[in-house]
Amino acid sequence: EVQLLESGGGLVQPGGSLRLSCKASGFTFNNYAMSWVRQAPGMGLEWVSTISTAGTFYADSVKGRFTISRDNSKNTLYLQMNSLRADDTAVYYCAKRGLRGTYYFDSWGQGTLVTVSS
Amino acid sequence: QTVVTQEPSFSVSPGGTVTLTCGLSSGSVSTSHFPSWYHQTPGQAPRTLIYTTSTRSSGVPDRFSGSILGNKAALTITGAQADDESDYYCVLYMGSGISVFGGGTKLTVL
Repeated sequence: EVQLLESGGGLVQPGGSLRLSCKASGFTFNNYAMSWVRQAPGMGLEWVSTISTAGTFYADSVKGRFTISRDNSKNTLYLQMNSLRADDTAVYYCAKRGLRGTYYFDSWGQGTLVTVSS
Repeated sequence: QTVVTQEPSFSVSPGGTVTLTCGLSSGSVSTSHFPSWYHQTPGQAPRTLIYTTSTRSSGVPDRFSGSILGNKAALTITGAQADDESDYYCVLYMGSGISVFGGGTKLTVL
């Protein structure tokens, strides 16, 4: 069974930094692309970033501020978030992508809440 | 900037059929966008329903089906049940590693 467990969320001041982690289990981690998706309070879902064998990709809203990475030896996905703004406040979900060439989110974690506020 | 459009809300009677759509602010949706569909109830993580236009995710009942209708992707629910009441999101792959979510459709079953 695929399990994705996010951690690292919390309260941070505007301009601050935070690193999210996503511990994966139940599948061969290094065989799959992984993504981060977020959801601001009361709002819809927003794709944030994907890491695959083709590289790293970001939504315009986070480009230059967020960095996605992975440690395949630890089955862990990361999201380094810098220069945080109030509109980055959201639940951040880790998502496993489907097989190469299918471009969808196959499995989801339960999310971790990031609050950017002074 | 690409905008993926969905109906903000929709209502269906129990046992009825409803089709939710997913379009583009400019242009047509095709299978090359690899449309996928998800549903989410308040306070819960999303769950995957449909991918690559019409493939049901594991465990998803065949009441849910995906297709291309005209210039949009579509999710059809037949025999709607009370627990289908949920928010439904589509995602389109825009190429170059970029995925875009629609704004979501709030489905009411009453």
